[in-house]
Amino acid sequence: DAGVTQSPTHLIKTRGQHVTLRCSPISGHKSVSWYQQVLGQGPQFIFQYYEKEERGRGNFPDRFSARQFPNYSSELNVNALLLGDSALYLCASSLGRGLRSYNSPLHFGNGTRLTVT
Amino acid sequence: AQSVTQLDSQVPVFEEAPVELRCNYSSSVSVYLFWYVQYPNQGLQLLLKYLSGSTLVKGINGFEAEFNKSQTSFHLRKPSVHISDTAEYFCAVSAGTYKYIFGTGTRLKVLA
Repeated sequence: DAGVTQSPTHLIKTRGQHVTLRCSPISGHKSVSWYQQVLGQGPQFIFQYYEKEERGRGNFPDRFSARQFPNYSSELNVNALLLGDSALYLCASSLGRGLRSYNSPLHFGNGTRLTVT
Repeated sequence: AQSVTQLDSQVPVFEEAPVELRCNYSSSVSVYLFWYVQYPNQGLQLLLKYLSGSTLVKGINGFEAEFNKSQTSFHLRKPSVHISDTAEYFCAVSAGTYKYIFGTGTRLKVLA
């Protein structure tokens, strides 16, 4: 079975531009979460979507938005890019809404490396 | 709120030697605990998890961890490391949601 797939793998953007990152979860997984990993740090939670609804949001500005589609794939959008948005963006999927359902932890993709110049 | 502290940013160890990577957490509620490994230019791979039950958890690649509630620790151990274990290791905690709180990571460097 295919794991979590993310596209593109690498992206270079200029300050002020907009970017869209895409994620396809493991087949059968209904929950998608997004994390930002700045170089030298651990991942930080951005969003969780379950059944196309936002179920959690981290401490990120409104420039960050996301959505989940009927096939459970997801997009992360970032507007008005700043240099500080340069990071590895990780998508993760899981079966249920939370850990108490299915005892299912997060499964991560390989990420999209975003560089803002 | 939860937090995670990984006490060592880098751990060098010789091949076939044992290793322990330390993780302490704080939380006012019951938690779930995880260790993930990240190889260069890759995402995170789950090594092991503590959800409930036995406090000694065995994972992939010969790793194990012990949940110690009184010391709020979840240290990762391997009795004999290989060159291929060289990677970044992250400890994470959750109160039951998918909002994981990650530590800053420990870089394990296995020396020949």
